Amino acid sequence: GESVGLHLPTLSVQEGDNSIINCAYSNSASDYFIWYKQESGKGPQFIIDIRSNMDKRQGQRVTVLLNKTVKHLSLQIAATQPGDSAVYFCAEATGNQFYFGTGTSLTVIP
Amino acid sequence: GAVVSQHPSRVICKSGTSVKIECRSLDFQATTMFWYRQFPKQSLMLMATSNEGSKATYEQGVEKDKFLINHASLTLSTLTVTSAHPEDSSFYICSAKIADTQYFGPGTRLTVL
Repeated sequence: GESVGLHLPTLSVQEGDNSIINCAYSNSASDYFIWYKQESGKGPQFIIDIRSNMDKRQGQRVTVLLNKTVKHLSLQIAATQPGDSAVYFCAEATGNQFYFGTGTSLTVIP
Repeated sequence: GAVVSQHPSRVICKSGTSVKIECRSLDFQATTMFWYRQFPKQSLMLMATSNEGSKATYEQGVEKDKFLINHASLTLSTLTVTSAHPEDSSFYICSAKIADTQYFGPGTRLTVL
């Protein structure tokens, strides 16, 4: 099957700094990508998505960048806050086929 | 945003009993729902894809007779863990698909004694 992986399993950032979480995917045919946030003991929460015909999309304090040339996806969180501490998953999708990365644990240091 | 609920949030049962978990889409109709299992510090493991009005599609290695899935309406899918054993203890999460995106429920923590 296809694989979606994350470069960094853990990330610690100082409160107020920007965070960057990376993800690599292997299926060049994937046309839709999503970032999820999962807090301990809870289900994943949708953060932001991007389609393959775009290379950047911005939300509130978050930006997703897609580099199709190297099959790389990143999530940038601006002015990281303690409430941002969680595990972040990327997912690539084609129709009903979703493949999730293993997740990156983000810890925000006050 | 879209809201998906699960009930119960936590269940403890004796070995050999059956447990039913409900997944509801609260403000939209979901033709497709998914059931996942998640072990500590691991990613989501897809168990099955549930389509309203038809039989669920199970992933390889998932016993369909043990994990019964029913998707009787556009807002409700149920997962029944039959004859549960301690190795079935896990965090079970459902999701509903709207447009191209999956929205997840809060999860159900199952502990089998």
